[in-house]
Amino acid sequence: DAKTTQPNSMESNEEEPVHLPCNHSTISGTDYIHWYRQLPSQGPEYVIHGLTSNVNNRMASLAIAEDRKSSTLILHRATLRDAAVYYCILTDSGYSTLTFGKGTMLLVSP
Amino acid sequence: DGGITQSPKYLFRKEGQNVTLSCEQNLNHDAMYWYRQDPGQGLRLIYYSQIVNDFQKGDIAEGYSVSREKKESFPLTVTSAQKNPTAFYLCASSPTFGSHGYTFGSGTRLTVV
Repeated sequence: DAKTTQPNSMESNEEEPVHLPCNHSTISGTDYIHWYRQLPSQGPEYVIHGLTSNVNNRMASLAIAEDRKSSTLILHRATLRDAAVYYCILTDSGYSTLTFGKGTMLLVSP
Repeated sequence: DGGITQSPKYLFRKEGQNVTLSCEQNLNHDAMYWYRQDPGQGLRLIYYSQIVNDFQKGDIAEGYSVSREKKESFPLTVTSAQKNPTAFYLCASSPTFGSHGYTFGSGTRLTVV
């Protein structure tokens, strides 16, 4: 599986937008980009996924670079409940399981 | 509400004993997965099942066993051969193998003393 690189931690203030980066320079043409988040002592939660185009859903937006070597998860207005570890994961659609790295710990201050 | 139920939330066992962790889903998903998480680490795949009566080893299957006799259930047995069994165990499911959007349970924290 292609690898991803994420910062260990990021900080944000409540009600401000948050941009969580992910580098995946060895991504292949069939790799999907997935984001999950994990709140303390809970199982991960699916956030969003995409292939080439930017994606929006009720939780977040996913911005994918034109060369697909990086992507950014955007939380439009951070809340205290968004404090979690965010994982960026690549999968070769239909043929692989999710492989989790250490992710980015997002800290949100009131 | 549809989801995945893992029980119990906390489990304590003596060293050398086998223990079985329960995972039940009512999402009608074909695929199910078991992951292990150690403090400060990401999740590692233990076993997965694409369909009933089928399962494959993941990255760290040694010392674990599973069964998939029913679509809804995917129990994990931690055997005495597992050298470091104390961990947070997470079960997940997806509509089909490789489909997007896994649903995870809330986990079982196993402590072996």
